[in-house]
Amino acid sequence: DAGVIQSPRHEVTEMGQEVTLRCKPISGHNSLFWYRQTMMRGLELLIYFNNNVPIDDSGMPEDRFSAKMPNASFSTLKIQPSEPRDSAVYFCASRDRAGGSAFFGQGTRLTVV
Amino acid sequence: TQLLEQSPQFLSIQEGENLTVYCNSSSVFSSLQWYRQEPGEGPVLLVTVVTGGEVKKLKRLTFQFGDARKDSSLHITAAQPGDTGLYLCKYSGGSNYKLTFGKGTLLTVNP
Repeated sequence: DAGVIQSPRHEVTEMGQEVTLRCKPISGHNSLFWYRQTMMRGLELLIYFNNNVPIDDSGMPEDRFSAKMPNASFSTLKIQPSEPRDSAVYFCASRDRAGGSAFFGQGTRLTVV
Repeated sequence: TQLLEQSPQFLSIQEGENLTVYCNSSSVFSSLQWYRQEPGEGPVLLVTVVTGGEVKKLKRLTFQFGDARKDSSLHITAAQPGDTGLYLCKYSGGSNYKLTFGKGTLLTVNP
């Protein structure tokens, strides 16, 4: 298995632009997580899907952030409009069952200038 | 919310030294996991501990779960430059099995 695949690996965009991050979880995994990592705040859980349904989005910073999971093999995290404070590494992770191990993608490093 | 406190936040040592990092909470964990994150990569699972007092070894790494299941430690013997990375502890619990991480210990092992 190729593992969790995220794209793009790096994204540089101007403030105000829309940014879409993509994730392909490991086949057969039924849970998907989006995290944001910064030096100051560490790994923050943004949203958690189970069987393609958003279970907990309490970590989504504000209305500028939205996430979708249209099917079991694809999820997106969208920021519109982007701001410099959104600059961070965004990780997607998937898990095959509750209490199981989470497998992370390599992350997308987002820079908003 | 169960908060995980990790210490130290930063640790820089010479190759061959031993070290211990800690993960603590005021709450009881159902289970706890340790991850290592190398620069430019996502976290990778090292071990899961479930039973109070449990000790697990992974080559030069020794993981211990506190008797009361509120704390855990990771001890590395004879550290090597390849051990460099961010060590994160995580618990998995609650009604919706969210994954919650500590902020991690950033370890640098100098040759």
